[in-house]
Amino acid sequence: GESVGLHLPTLSVQEGDNSIINCAYSNSASDYFIWYKQESGKGPQFIIDIRSNMDKRQGQRVTVLLNKTVKHLSLQIAATQPGDSAVYFCAENTGGGSNYKLTFGKGTLLTVNP
Amino acid sequence: DSGVTQTPKHLITATGQRVTLRCSPRSGDLSVYWYQQSLDQGLQFLIQYYNGEERAKGNILERFSAQQFPDLHSELNLSSLELGDSALYFCASSPRVTGELFFGEGSRLTVL
Repeated sequence: GESVGLHLPTLSVQEGDNSIINCAYSNSASDYFIWYKQESGKGPQFIIDIRSNMDKRQGQRVTVLLNKTVKHLSLQIAATQPGDSAVYFCAENTGGGSNYKLTFGKGTLLTVNP
Repeated sequence: DSGVTQTPKHLITATGQRVTLRCSPRSGDLSVYWYQQSLDQGLQFLIQYYNGEERAKGNILERFSAQQFPDLHSELNLSSLELGDSALYFCASSPRVTGELFFGEGSRLTVL
């Protein structure tokens, strides 16, 4: 498959374990955050989002935690499966006001070992 | 399948040339975004259109231009191509000005 980055942070886990992917964002005024998953050769795919008035949001097998004090976002994946292997990007809305501009982080490569 | 269609999927051209990448957003989506993804820069926001009008601009070079047509499809024009323009170009659409973006599969541009 195609690689989306040669120098990405990487996380390798065993199938069935929980995964935690971390992201430090840049703009303290950002009000909206999204996690995307990008599989090899495909476009980014939405996983979960969270607004700045929340500190936790849960989806199916995924949880996003937001710590605005230290500008940190994390994605927790429960019972990680081989199909979860991908590059994970966090994105923040850095547009401000009525503007909307998603700025993406560099990504983390998650590898799930069977 | 996100519902966003990009053509061509692959394009190989020479330095100095001009290419046009096309994007059809999801049915009903008014916002179209263009992103560039390269190995060393990650996903870089280029430009956004909403219902035919430019809404936000990112790190888009002057050699690049885009537009959104009345039928809401969008085109990204890249001219005077350089080797460094080789990248994946993604289009994404959204039903509103803000919110979740739905990405296409990308157009891989190789400049030789």
